[in-house]
Amino acid sequence: GAGVSQSPSNKVTEKGKDVELRCDPISGHTALYWYRQRLGQGLEFLIYFQGNSAPDKSGLPSDRFSAERTGESVSTLTIQRTQQEDSAVYLCASSYPGQQGYGYTFGSGTRLTVV
Amino acid sequence: GDSVTQMEGPVTLSEEAFLTINCTYTATGYPSLFWYVQYPGEGLQLLLKATKADDKGSNKGFEATYRKETTSFHLEKGSVQVSDSAVYFCALSGRSGNTPLVFGKGTRLSVIA
Repeated sequence: GAGVSQSPSNKVTEKGKDVELRCDPISGHTALYWYRQRLGQGLEFLIYFQGNSAPDKSGLPSDRFSAERTGESVSTLTIQRTQQEDSAVYLCASSYPGQQGYGYTFGSGTRLTVV
Repeated sequence: GDSVTQMEGPVTLSEEAFLTINCTYTATGYPSLFWYVQYPGEGLQLLLKATKADDKGSNKGFEATYRKETTSFHLEKGSVQVSDSAVYFCALSGRSGNTPLVFGKGTRLSVIA
């Protein structure tokens, strides 16, 4: 597609349930990034993929968080046993590899609310 | 590690006022520098960028100059409009590999008519 697509756009879940967030990057963008944006806060890096491998998982806040990617396409971020502090907007971005000078293209995000 | 520091908001300006949002960085080597903008209810969009010292990025009337000597990349606009109301993020990327962009905490700008 023309841009980075994220789904769902909004998700309300009960505390303790698992959720899956999906990101569909721009075709040809082999690098894919997940960030979290809590209300009124900056962007917190979660994980980065190059192809389907994840060289940098340093930002995942706990073992309840995991992510995978199929080839150089769709990525899924899974949060198990959600907690209220997981409430945030989860942003996905993609880029060409080694093209730091061009920055990223971001999706519109998934707003997760844990009640 | 690499880091970005932005002036804290919110910033409230009247229409046609001059805007400066300060951004300084700490990085090894020579990063690329970016400003992203997030309009209400939307995702982040790249506003402008600079990839080497003394480069000036510009877009939509906004400008920022990569100042290596002061490690700064301040965002400026000569005359803001109500439609510029948004959150602005300064970011940097390292030169090695595909290290993730490092973002500042964002500065909320409100422009009133």
